[in-house]
Amino acid sequence: DTGVSQDPRHKITKRGQNVTFRCDPISEHNRLYWYRQTLGQGPEFLTYFQNEAQLEKSRLLSDRFSAERPKGSFSTLEIQRTEQGDSAMYLCASSLRGDYPNAAHEQYFGPGTRLTVT
Amino acid sequence: GESVGLHLPTLSVQEGDNSIINCAYSNSASDYFIWYKQESGKGPQFIIDIRSNMDKRQGQRVTVLLNKTVKHLSLQIAATQPGDSAVYFCAENTPGGSYIPTFGRGTSLIVHP
Repeated sequence: DTGVSQDPRHKITKRGQNVTFRCDPISEHNRLYWYRQTLGQGPEFLTYFQNEAQLEKSRLLSDRFSAERPKGSFSTLEIQRTEQGDSAMYLCASSLRGDYPNAAHEQYFGPGTRLTVT
Repeated sequence: GESVGLHLPTLSVQEGDNSIINCAYSNSASDYFIWYKQESGKGPQFIIDIRSNMDKRQGQRVTVLLNKTVKHLSLQIAATQPGDSAVYFCAENTPGGSYIPTFGRGTSLIVHP
């Protein structure tokens, strides 16, 4: 257990439905990341927050995806009008920002939410 | 039809042997590299990192080697144990301070008792 929790662990939904996932990072970590991982591939970056500010979004993050971190603590990732291609593991990670390039930058990953769109 | 991406490179070793997992990275400007271990049903776990101003770094039972000339990383695991069985990913970071790693494809390590 890394200290990062995600809920739910599994979600099955029908195409066209909206889903929301939650991530609770390690409490003192100011950075929070969302990734998507499909079978046999490494995680792909979606977006990240520093405190409550969303600082970067990947081109993978279509308009149907939105993420929030309202108080700089937990975060939610919502997918609207789900498509079968959204089926994947959604991973959250948190870290403590260090001074680039000297600080070590260890991201702690949660167990993921596995989404299946039928 | 073919399932692209399901067939990970696989390394099978006997318990007690040393393992070497290789990774080719893509961006010559990358200056920070990380190895992650991912067990089934879990998120990736940080193992060891290395900066581009080094060519070797050692941890507990693990060593990472970096060859910038050919853009190659390797992870050496000494005295491999059944608990080391997992998928291993290398990740690269480019300068900019965002620390957003780009993950490689992964290698499945299977340790036979």
